[in-house]
Amino acid sequence: GAGVSQSPSNKVTEKGKDVELRCDPISGHTALYWYRQRLGQGLEFLIYFQGNSAPDKSGLPSDRFSAERTGESVSTLTIQRTQQEDSAVYLCASSRIQEPRYGYTFGSGTRLTVV
Amino acid sequence: SQQGEEDPQALSIQEGENATMNCSYKTSINNLQWYRQNSGRGLVHLILIRSNEREKHSGRLRVTLDTSKKSSSLLITASRAADTASYFCATDLGGTSYGKLTFGQGTILTVHP
Repeated sequence: GAGVSQSPSNKVTEKGKDVELRCDPISGHTALYWYRQRLGQGLEFLIYFQGNSAPDKSGLPSDRFSAERTGESVSTLTIQRTQQEDSAVYLCASSRIQEPRYGYTFGSGTRLTVV
Repeated sequence: SQQGEEDPQALSIQEGENATMNCSYKTSINNLQWYRQNSGRGLVHLILIRSNEREKHSGRLRVTLDTSKKSSSLLITASRAADTASYFCATDLGGTSYGKLTFGQGTILTVHP
């Protein structure tokens, strides 16, 4: 597609439920990144994919968080047993190669609210 | 303090004035990027400056980088109301950390018509 697409755009869930967030990167972009942005804060790195493998998962805050990517395309970020502190905007970005000359293309994010 | 801190936290100016935002960081970088965010959602890449560059221009934007001081500045000239947004700097350490951007908390810019 023309841009990075994320779904859903908004998600309200009850504490303790699992949620799945989806990211469709730009076609041909082999690198994909997940970030989290809490209200009024900058972005925190979560995980990075090169193709279907994740060489860097260092930003995942706990074992409740996991992500996968298939077909060098769509990625899903799963949060199990959600907690209120998981409430944030989850942003996905992609790039053609690991060192893009022109920065990274971000999606519009998924706003997750845990009640 | 964190890698990639912006200053000021908030800036309010009149249309037509220039806006300057600063960013400081702590470790050596491969490149530094500036992004803009409207309404707390998607980020738009504005400009990337590499560690061996000192200044870059793009339209009304001018970015400087001083690696000796570990700081960067973003200047928006002749600001417009449509420039109202949050602006973030992000550092990329390169090497095995390519793409693992570290963002500051941002500068909220308000341009009054």
